[in-house]
Amino acid sequence: AQTVTQSQPEMSVQEAETVTLSCTYDTSENNYYLFWYKQPPSRQMILVIRQEAYKQQNATENRFSVNFQKAAKSFSLKISDSQLGDTAMYFCAFMKPGYGNKLVFGAGTILRVKS
Amino acid sequence: GAVVSQHPSRVICKSGTSVKIECRSLDFQATTMFWYRQFPKKSLMLMATSNEGSKATYEQGVEKDKFLINHASLTLSTLTVTSAHPEDSSFYICSARDQTSKGGGAYEQYFGPGTRLTVT
Repeated sequence: AQTVTQSQPEMSVQEAETVTLSCTYDTSENNYYLFWYKQPPSRQMILVIRQEAYKQQNATENRFSVNFQKAAKSFSLKISDSQLGDTAMYFCAFMKPGYGNKLVFGAGTILRVKS
Repeated sequence: GAVVSQHPSRVICKSGTSVKIECRSLDFQATTMFWYRQFPKKSLMLMATSNEGSKATYEQGVEKDKFLINHASLTLSTLTVTSAHPEDSSFYICSARDQTSKGGGAYEQYFGPGTRLTVT
């Protein structure tokens, strides 16, 4: 069974600085997808970024980028120029196509951006 | 695009009664929807996969007779908590896949805003 580990329960960062959230996963599969979701205080889950395992290039979305290390099974999220609105719980998730297309979530990291 | 709604956003019911939560995909069709439960400051726990036109697939440990799921159309899935007890109080979230999306987008899940259930 696949597992996703987020080893940082809580983190804080000053506004405008950069922060990296870590995520590791365990799988024997070769084809899969990885996601970072953000859950702000409103509790609405929002997709931040997606990475296909077959793509070597790291995904980026504006201030958000990932460092995908397939061999190490690592998928960290870097947030540049942190903003107060980035304060949220961040979940790393794994999905293997075809196996019910279920998302396997990590435990989450609470990120607080301070002014 | 890809908006999922849930209704109600919060509900309070008495112990022993049943409550229904609706999940709708507003601008796409979803043959598959998912129901999650989330405790405060915890991760999402998948309860079941809702399949349009067929029975739901429940995760291990989830009572199918207590959490009834009906996926009657391509845009609507409902979760009914039957004979609710205080321990069923939680935040329930649904999600849906837009399977018409191309490539990796077909595997993204779009989440509803959640329903806070309180059983007194």
